[in-house]
Amino acid sequence: EAQVTQNPRYLITVTGKKLTVTCSQNMNHEYMSWYRQDPGLGLRQIYYSMNVEVTDKGDVPEGYKVSRKEKRNFPLILESPSPNQTSLYFCASSFGQGDQPQHFGDGTRLSIL
Amino acid sequence: RKEVEQDPGPFNVPEGATVAFNCTYSNSASQSFFWYRQDCRKEPKLLMSVYSSGNEDGRFTAQLNRASQYISLLIRDSKLSDSATYLCVVKGPLRSNTGKLIFGQGTTLQVKP
Repeated sequence: EAQVTQNPRYLITVTGKKLTVTCSQNMNHEYMSWYRQDPGLGLRQIYYSMNVEVTDKGDVPEGYKVSRKEKRNFPLILESPSPNQTSLYFCASSFGQGDQPQHFGDGTRLSIL
Repeated sequence: RKEVEQDPGPFNVPEGATVAFNCTYSNSASQSFFWYRQDCRKEPKLLMSVYSSGNEDGRFTAQLNRASQYISLLIRDSKLSDSATYLCVVKGPLRSNTGKLIFGQGTTLQVKP
């Protein structure tokens, strides 16, 4: 089954404790992206990647890191999480350069205390 | 001014009604346009791409007006199952911010019996 898989789905953690949210897709998509969704602000792009070893900042990259060592995986890293990073996070992938329909993962709800 | 703007609603309509949403975008060189649907606490899913000539998919019609920089979504004969948030998505112009997708805040539709 074609899918985008994020883990974990839910995480409660404390300020400053490094965490990684994994994202994996099995559709051989070139394009992958991370978003956060907050009430009143909608979905905002954090980082995106157009292929292996090619990543670029979205609208709200501060406090996040990503890597794209393999085509299928695009982890999101919070080196020192802070409470303002409490949010609902989505990973997405597609063919092309973001001009094709995005396939979203189920979401990860992060709470940073 | 936000890059992509939508009226957040909510739009409360009776079953069978016709409802229209508009979305405006600020960058006249934007290339690709989409409507996504998002159910409460779920991932966004592509509803339809928006083409310059306009396109229709069953009860849904999408239109693009480049001169006025807006896209629209028309839903005819609303069903209870149409209740959701509808997200307008715009991709940046070629050779500039390639790969960057901008989401509107979303318009919430509630269809009542």
